[in-house]
Amino acid sequence: SQTIHQWPATLVQPVGSPLSLECTVEGTSNPNLYWYRQAAGRGLQLLFYSVGIGQISSEVPQNLSASRPQDRQFILSSKKLLLSDSGFYLCAWDRGPYGYTFGSGTRLTVV
Amino acid sequence: AQSVTQPDIHITVSEGASLELRCNYSYGATPYLFWYVQSPGQGLQLLLKYFSGDTLVQGIKGFEAEFKRSQSSFNLRKPSVHWSDAAEYFCAVGGNDYKLSFGAGTTVTVRA
Repeated sequence: SQTIHQWPATLVQPVGSPLSLECTVEGTSNPNLYWYRQAAGRGLQLLFYSVGIGQISSEVPQNLSASRPQDRQFILSSKKLLLSDSGFYLCAWDRGPYGYTFGSGTRLTVV
Repeated sequence: AQSVTQPDIHITVSEGASLELRCNYSYGATPYLFWYVQSPGQGLQLLLKYFSGDTLVQGIKGFEAEFKRSQSSFNLRKPSVHWSDAAEYFCAVGGNDYKLSFGAGTTVTVRA
C-alpha cells in the first residue's frame, strides 16, 4: 500500500541545537515530495520541494535545509535552531491528479 | 502565478446547521481544485477534488463543493454539521504540474 511516514511527532529543542526531521513514503517510486510549515494561526508555507534524489528547490530563504538522499526519503534539517523555527512541519507527497497525501506532522518547539 | 483566497478566517456554526466555506482562486487555465481538512495536531486529509466534468463534486464526510468558473470559486458546503466537523479547512489550486497553492485556511467552530 501507499503510505507516508513522518517523525518524530513532537520535538522540543533548545535554541542553537541541530534539527533533523524525516519523511519517507512507501509503495511508490520517484515521488515529488514537499516540506511545509504552519506557524500558529497561519496557513501552509511551502519550504522545500524535491522531484528526485539530490534535487531540492527552496521556496523561501531561511535557517533550514532539505536533502533527498534516497528516492523515498526527504529530510528537513537545521544546523542551529532559532526560536522562530517553532511550528508544525508537514511532509507531503504529490500524487498527481489525486492531490497531496500529508504526513501526520511534527510539532517543533524551540525553547 | 496561481493563488487561493479564503475570505473567512473563522466561522462559528451551530450543530445541525448548514455550513459554507468560501474559496476563490486565481489561475490562468483550467485548475485542479481541492479541499483539505485538518484536525488539531494532525496532518491534512483530502475531502474532495475537482478536475473536470460535473461542477458539483461530492466528497467524504458529507461534504460537497461546486466549481463556478465565472466566479473563480470553489465553495465547500455541508447541509448539517456535526461537532466532529470542527477543524481547519484549506482550499488548494493546482495546474498541470500538480504543484499546489493553499489558502490561509478557515477555522470552523461548532457550538452545541
